[in-house]
Amino acid sequence: GDSVTQMEGPVTLSEEAFLTINCTYTATGYPSLFWYVQYPGEGLQLLLKATKADDKGSNKGFEATYRKETTSFHLEKGSVQVSDSAVYFCALSSNGAGNMLTFGGGTRLMVKP
Amino acid sequence: DAGITQSPRHKVTETGTPVTLRCHQTENHRYMYWYRQDPGHGLRLIHYSYGVKDTDKGEVSDGYSVSRSKTEDFLLTLESATSSQTSVYFCAISEGGTGGEKLFFGSGTQLSVL
Repeated sequence: GDSVTQMEGPVTLSEEAFLTINCTYTATGYPSLFWYVQYPGEGLQLLLKATKADDKGSNKGFEATYRKETTSFHLEKGSVQVSDSAVYFCALSSNGAGNMLTFGGGTRLMVKP
Repeated sequence: DAGITQSPRHKVTETGTPVTLRCHQTENHRYMYWYRQDPGHGLRLIHYSYGVKDTDKGEVSDGYSVSRSKTEDFLLTLESATSSQTSVYFCAISEGGTGGEKLFFGSGTQLSVL
């Protein structure tokens, strides 16, 4: 079945540092890939997505590229802020009925001033 | 923000009791989902619905049932709660169901089964 593996956290960075959170997936066919973010006490929000190979999703300075050859969708940001502290989830949906998401385990990011 | 309301926000119950969680949406979206969130597992799908009275099982459906009698409401019932069902439960909605669409999530229900 489908699965998503992402690096365990917590990831602790200083403000303005470069961020990478690794995500790899296993799926049949050509899934859509997502990064969701969860701020403390809240539900998940879509951060960015890519629906086909070589697409780059971007939002709020974050970006991720759909790499079919390495089955990866790593999240990057050039300069993190304290307000980026949250839990980040990589997810996929195999195209077909239902639009169900398969999530990775989540990576907690802590950014210190 | 998408109009999704989960109730209750917090609940403590005892082993063996039935529990019902409610998800209400004002978006008129066709698809609704229940996920549970546990440390190290991310979110896992319990059940989903693709229309009124149309539901199907997800990855971790044992011990749970759902009902959708109206477009706007999706109920999750723990028939006889167990300690392993202590978790944070999230409802989500989606306008489409073919894959690639954005899901909107509620704020979650923290359930503790003692």
